[in-house]
Formats: sequence, structure tokens, C-alpha cells
Amino acid sequence: EMQVVESGGGLVQPGGSLRLSCGASGFNLRSYSMNWVRQAPGKGLEWISYISSSGSAIFYADSVKGRSTLSRDNAKNSLFLQMDSLSAEDTAIYYCARASAEWLPPPPFDIWGQGTLVIVSS
Amino acid sequence: DIVLTQSPDSLAVSLGERAAINCKSSQSVLYSSTNKNHLAWYQQKPGQPPKLLMHWASTRESGVPDRFSGSGSGTDFTLTISSLQAEDVAVYYCQQYSNTPPTFGQGTKVEIK
Repeated sequence: EMQVVESGGGLVQPGGSLRLSCGASGFNLRSYSMNWVRQAPGKGLEWISYISSSGSAIFYADSVKGRSTLSRDNAKNSLFLQMDSLSAEDTAIYYCARASAEWLPPPPFDIWGQGTLVIVSS
Repeated sequence: DIVLTQSPDSLAVSLGERAAINCKSSQSVLYSSTNKNHLAWYQQKPGQPPKLLMHWASTRESGVPDRFSGSGSGTDFTLTISSLQAEDVAVYYCQQYSNTPPTFGQGTKVEIK
């Protein structure tokens, strides 16, 4: 079964940092472009970042641009999202999602993880 | 950014009846190079991640029941559930992939009447 698994969420103080990870099983992560999508409690879905399969192309939503860094380690079949200067508005479930093909704009997300919850609070 | 507006925000439908969700885009998502509508639909059940139902506005993903259908072109789209089942209770989202950033509608909650 193809799946992705996120980790790294938790409680962080305002202004703090967090590093989220995404791993894959059942498929080769290095062959796919990947995305992060977040969902604030009781709210809708917000795409926040994209990385191509090679890592050569990376895009961010304006809401996280300048304080987030997306990277991947294809040798370890893993993806990482470093988020800094966190505020209460960043409180959300963060989903790692596979793009169904390798082109831009990123095509629909066909595999999603269960998400990792980030709570920003003092 | 392209804004997607779904209507209604919620609807309650009797089992076996038809449910229709609309998605209106602030600009056309008909992509010139593919001549296809770059619009997808997702289903999110409580406590679960979203599940991709449909892409190209009307192409069902493998395993999606045929009671789900998508229609529309350009800026106006509809997701229809022809005969609502109990397992269809969920929030449904449209998403455009015509422009970066990809954007989602606000969601439509479907319940049983």
C-alpha cells in the first residue's frame, strides 16, 4: 500500500521553530514532487509548499514564505519542512501530499498522510 | 491567486437523493496547453485526510463509485452525488491546479437529512 507518514508536530511557543518530516512507503518518494498542505482546526485546506522530485524547484505560499524551508533527502526517501517564527496562525494539521504527476502548477494530490498537528501557544 | 467559491456551505440530503455542490472560480481554469479544466474534487471524512475523488473536473479516480460525477467548464463546476449513501457524509473541496499557488474552495459539508 502506498502511503506517506508525517512526523515532527507538537506544541511550540510563539516565535519558535519546528521541523516536520515526511516519509513514504510503497512507492519511491524520489520519483515524485511533493507538497505540504495545512488545515487549521475546523477550517479548510491551504497549500503551503511544493518541491519537485529532484529538489531543484521549490515554491511556497505567501503565508509561509521567508520563514519556511522545504528540502528532501531522496537517499533517505524523506522530505523536511523547517518552519520558523511560528505564530498562533500556524496552528494546524500539516499534511504531506504526493502530486500525481511531475509538472507545474502541481497536479492533484493523490496520496495524503494522516497529518501531524502543530500547536503554537504559550 | 485564483479564488474558488463553493456553494452551498452545507447541505442535508435524504439517503438515496441527489446532492449537488457548486464551485465557482474567479478565473477560468481551462488550461490552454491541455484544453482541459484543471479542477479536482476531494472528499474529507471526519478525522481523516482528504481523498482525491476527481481530476480534470470530471475524471473519477480509480475506485470512486460512479454515483459521483463532475461537470462544468471554465469557471463553473459541479460535483454531483446521484444517490447519497451514509458513507458519503463528509466535507467536499474543489481545488484548482491551473495556476500556482494551487487553491481550494472553502468546503461544503454534506449531511444526511
